[in-house]
Amino acid sequence: GEDVEQSLFLSVREGDSSVINCTYTDSSSTYLYWYKQEPGAGLQLLTYIFSNMDMKQDQRLTVLLNKKDKHLSLRIADTQTGDSAIYFCAAVNAGNMLTFGGGTRLMVKP
Amino acid sequence: SQTIHQWPATLVQPVGSPLSLECTVEGTSNPNLYWYRQAAGRGLQLLFYSVGIGQISSEVPQNLSASRPQDRQFILSSKKLLLSDSGFYLCAWSTNEQFFGPGTRLTVL
Repeated sequence: GEDVEQSLFLSVREGDSSVINCTYTDSSSTYLYWYKQEPGAGLQLLTYIFSNMDMKQDQRLTVLLNKKDKHLSLRIADTQTGDSAIYFCAAVNAGNMLTFGGGTRLMVKP
Repeated sequence: SQTIHQWPATLVQPVGSPLSLECTVEGTSNPNLYWYRQAAGRGLQLLFYSVGIGQISSEVPQNLSASRPQDRQFILSSKKLLLSDSGFYLCAWSTNEQFFGPGTRLTVL
């Protein structure tokens, strides 16, 4: 089955850019998602990218997809303290099921 | 617009007691519905999913069960809770994208 991997932790200073990386194994994944989870809350869909795209930009968020390497990244420009959260990468498989990575905890220092 | 509700928000139950968590979706028809569990500080584990009324698929063998008595209602149950059932339970619905409810934090003592 699909395996989705993320680094556990990222620390950045306020105002810097954050880059959260994710790798997946199923080359047939059609959609790839980024979710944000704030403490004690559910998951909020941030953005997604279709597998035939290389890049998607939405305000401060930029998603890059390298389909050859099965690598997905989320860049947050001008990171703010409110961006501190856990970020989950997820991939859709052929059965339309989501497989989640373990989450990357982003800590933003003032 | 679509919304998803979960209740209760928090729950503390003794070992061996029953469990019933409810999830309802508004503003959509015939969604796929999901139950996930998130253990403290960890990622999401898919427990059950449903593609229609009465259709439940289990991903992980355990002492939990799920039911879908109505199109937009998904219930997670247990007859006897274990300590290891503690966690954060998330309901989700999808058509293409998947959207999550606010979660229920369950503590089994």
